Amino acid sequence: AQSVAQPEDQVNVAEGNPLTVKCTYSVSGNPYLFWYVQYPNRGLQFLLKYITGDNLVKGSYGFEAEFNKSQTSFHLKKPSALVSDSALYFCAVRAGRNQGGKLIFGQGTELSVKP
Amino acid sequence: GAVVSQHPSRVICKSGTSVKIECRSLDFQATTMFWYRQFPKQSLMLMATSNEGSKATYEQGVEKDKFLINHASLTLSTLTVTSAHPEDSSFYICSARDLGGGAWNEQFFGPGTRLTVL
Repeated sequence: AQSVAQPEDQVNVAEGNPLTVKCTYSVSGNPYLFWYVQYPNRGLQFLLKYITGDNLVKGSYGFEAEFNKSQTSFHLKKPSALVSDSALYFCAVRAGRNQGGKLIFGQGTELSVKP
Repeated sequence: GAVVSQHPSRVICKSGTSVKIECRSLDFQATTMFWYRQFPKQSLMLMATSNEGSKATYEQGVEKDKFLINHASLTLSTLTVTSAHPEDSSFYICSARDLGGGAWNEQFFGPGTRLTVL
């Protein structure tokens, strides 16, 4: 069965420093991986996805993620964090066609960027 | 870009009443919509998958008679929480998948509905 793990409940970063939010996955077959961000009392906003191709995926708001097949990871990164990046981040994997392609989410990581 | 709306954004109701939440895809057609439930600072829990013109598929442990889902058109799905109780208080989020491309198409999320049952 497909699953996603985000090992950190919270990540604290100083503004201007690089940030990494970790995600590991377990799937059978090729993974379709996603990152979403959620601001308080809002729905999810799409950041980026990996389907195939280059392991480094660039997304919205300066975020990028690196797909690492050998480590089954898809960590989210940003070279220079902003206070406005503070939010809840979710990694997700697309379930197989026999499950309707639904998204399976990690437990979420709260990112706090301090000035 | 694709936009999904939810109405209402916030609802407060008395215990025992029913509440209907609407999910609309505004600029695309969605054969499939998903309903999620989220507790504070926790992940999204998929409740059901709603397919236009057919019965919804509920996840294990979700009461289908409690959470009624109707997907009457390609742009509208509704979730009705019947006989709501305080434990049903939560943040409900829907997402919609574009018509073309099948199961691998992008999902777009609504802004969520905060339900509080007194």
